[in-house]
Amino acid sequence: DVKVTQSSRYLVKRTGEKVFLECVQDMDHENMFWYRQDPGLGLRLIYFSYDVKMKEKGDIPEGYSVSREKKERFSLILESASTNQTSMYLCASSLLGTSGSYEQYFGPGTRLTVT
Amino acid sequence: KNEVEQSPQNLTAQEGEFITINCSYSVGISALHWLQQHPGGGIVSLFMLSSGKKKHGRLIATINIQEKHSSLHITASHPRDSAVYICAVTPNTGNQFYFGTGTSLTVIP
Repeated sequence: DVKVTQSSRYLVKRTGEKVFLECVQDMDHENMFWYRQDPGLGLRLIYFSYDVKMKEKGDIPEGYSVSREKKERFSLILESASTNQTSMYLCASSLLGTSGSYEQYFGPGTRLTVT
Repeated sequence: KNEVEQSPQNLTAQEGEFITINCSYSVGISALHWLQQHPGGGIVSLFMLSSGKKKHGRLIATINIQEKHSSLHITASHPRDSAVYICAVTPNTGNQFYFGTGTSLTVIP
């Protein structure tokens, strides 16, 4: 079974702090994704990566950066946390599809509160 | 713009009822996915389909490519089916998903 783990289930940070959210997958997937999920807005893509050291902006990259130094690990960084970044953050991974589509496997989520 | 639209947004049913959740999309796709999210956050994939119909237990998913429409049916609903059901599509190009905003289902005993 694919397993995607996230470093924290719940996190409380202060405005202006630098925040690191870590995601690890154990199935040698090429693709990894970071989403945020807010009521009424659904899942929105922040960044994704299709290979080590490669990254692509998603729909809402402002205020975030990412790092992928190893294939199994994808980190989301909030350089200076703000209250509007309070949200549920979900990581996912999938195989790299050259044609067709592959399932995404999701981590349990990190509920981040910025005060 | 929303590439994926779901209806209804909220649904309450009595145990045993037949449930239908609808999904419409506006882009060419390589696949459509139905996902389930229970309270607490974890998302699991229920179905991935590109044509026709798939069945797993009491869940059935159908897709009509020409009409760009999919439905998720739950037969003999049960309180443990209470969850948010999310429709997502993979467009013809790229590996991203486009997500609907989800349908929150509550099944009352």
